[in-house]
Amino acid sequence: DAGVIQSPRHEVTEMGQEVTLRCKPISGHDYLFWYRQTMMRGLELLIYFNNNVPIDDSGMPEDRFSAKMPNASFSTLKIQPSEPRDSAVYFCASSPSILASGTDTQYFGPGTRLTVL
Amino acid sequence: GNSVTQMEGPVTLSEEAFLTINCTYTATGYPSLFWYVQYPGEGLQLLLKATKADDKGSNKGFEATYRKETTSFHLEKGSVQVSDSAVYFCALSKGPAGGTSYGKLTFGQGTILTVHP
Repeated sequence: DAGVIQSPRHEVTEMGQEVTLRCKPISGHDYLFWYRQTMMRGLELLIYFNNNVPIDDSGMPEDRFSAKMPNASFSTLKIQPSEPRDSAVYFCASSPSILASGTDTQYFGPGTRLTVL
Repeated sequence: GNSVTQMEGPVTLSEEAFLTINCTYTATGYPSLFWYVQYPGEGLQLLLKATKADDKGSNKGFEATYRKETTSFHLEKGSVQVSDSAVYFCALSKGPAGGTSYGKLTFGQGTILTVHP
């Protein structure tokens, strides 16, 4: 299995630009999570989906952030407009249904390092 | 709500030293407990887990025992190696009993471990 795939691995953009991060979860996983990691705030859950439906978006910092999951194999996290304080590493993770697999372990992608100048 | 507290870092050890990273949690019911490890430049990966009281998770020489009476899940290794240098995260999941919180991990702040030759 290829694991969770994220793209791009690195993104440098200027303040005010739109940024789109992409994630392909492990095939067959029902849950998809977006996290943000910074030195100051640690690892924060932004939003998660179950069967492509957003379940909890309480961690999304503000309206500039949006996430979609149009199908079981693809999700995007968009920031528009971006700001320097959005600079962070963004991780995507997926998890199988515990009913199917007996586990709720999350599998993380390698992350996207975003720098907003 | 749920929370996880890890010992403050960073932790610096010499090779072959004994390692303990403390982790305590607050949660209702019987959460699953995890240790994740993040190597430099990579995403988090599961190190070990335990799903019920008195369970011991183990992997790669690391161990942690689910202690419900002390609400703890301390990580230990008898002899660390330079290659164990990483950030270690303790986490909990409410599992199916978590209702709408199912599948959501609550992470501690992470502990940086550096092992010198």
